[in-house]
Amino acid sequence: GAVVSQHPSRVICKSGTSVKIECRSLDFQATTMFWYRQFPKQSLMLMATSNEGSKATYEQGVEKDKFLINHASLTLSTLTVTSAHPEDSSFYICSAYGDTEAFFGQGTRLTVV
Amino acid sequence: AQSVTQLDSQVPVFEEAPVELRCNYSSSVSVYLFWYVQYPNQGLQLLLKYLSGSTLVKGINGFEAEFNKSQTSFHLRKPSVHISDTAEYFCAVVGSNQGGKLIFGQGTELSVKP
Repeated sequence: GAVVSQHPSRVICKSGTSVKIECRSLDFQATTMFWYRQFPKQSLMLMATSNEGSKATYEQGVEKDKFLINHASLTLSTLTVTSAHPEDSSFYICSAYGDTEAFFGQGTRLTVV
Repeated sequence: AQSVTQLDSQVPVFEEAPVELRCNYSSSVSVYLFWYVQYPNQGLQLLLKYLSGSTLVKGINGFEAEFNKSQTSFHLRKPSVHISDTAEYFCAVVGSNQGGKLIFGQGTELSVKP
């Protein structure tokens, strides 16, 4: 099956700094990618839909100025958590939907200290 | 809009026993249905999916699920579980016209005990 690579797998940053997470589709072109957030022992909550060459579509309640999404090519989408605070600590997962199946990255564990 | 409800947050079971993880959905349009498994600090792995056709779907690792349109359910089953099946399981739905925007259930933690 298709592979989606997400990097980094773990990151620890200081409060107030920004962190960029990359999501790459390695063997297919993804015009649309999705970013999810997962709190411990909870489900995946869709944050935004990343569209190649256009602005991302954010779900209700997600701050677009805090979670910047860029989808500059058909194989790369990035999520930047700006001015991170401890409450942004979470597990972030990207996915790319190909035909009739979603392929997920390995996830990024963000810890803000 | 679609929604998914997983009826059990935790399911403890002994090794080699059968298990069923329940999932109900709601949608005003036709849907595709999925079951994913997640191991700690990892992404999601697809177990199986229902797109159309036969309502009994077989997946990896001996899992199967049955789509029941009248009951809007998509329960996951395995006749004999292993310790290695201990993980979090997510049911997900996407409207056939939603372009991949999966909506997930709350998850079911399957704990297999020796």
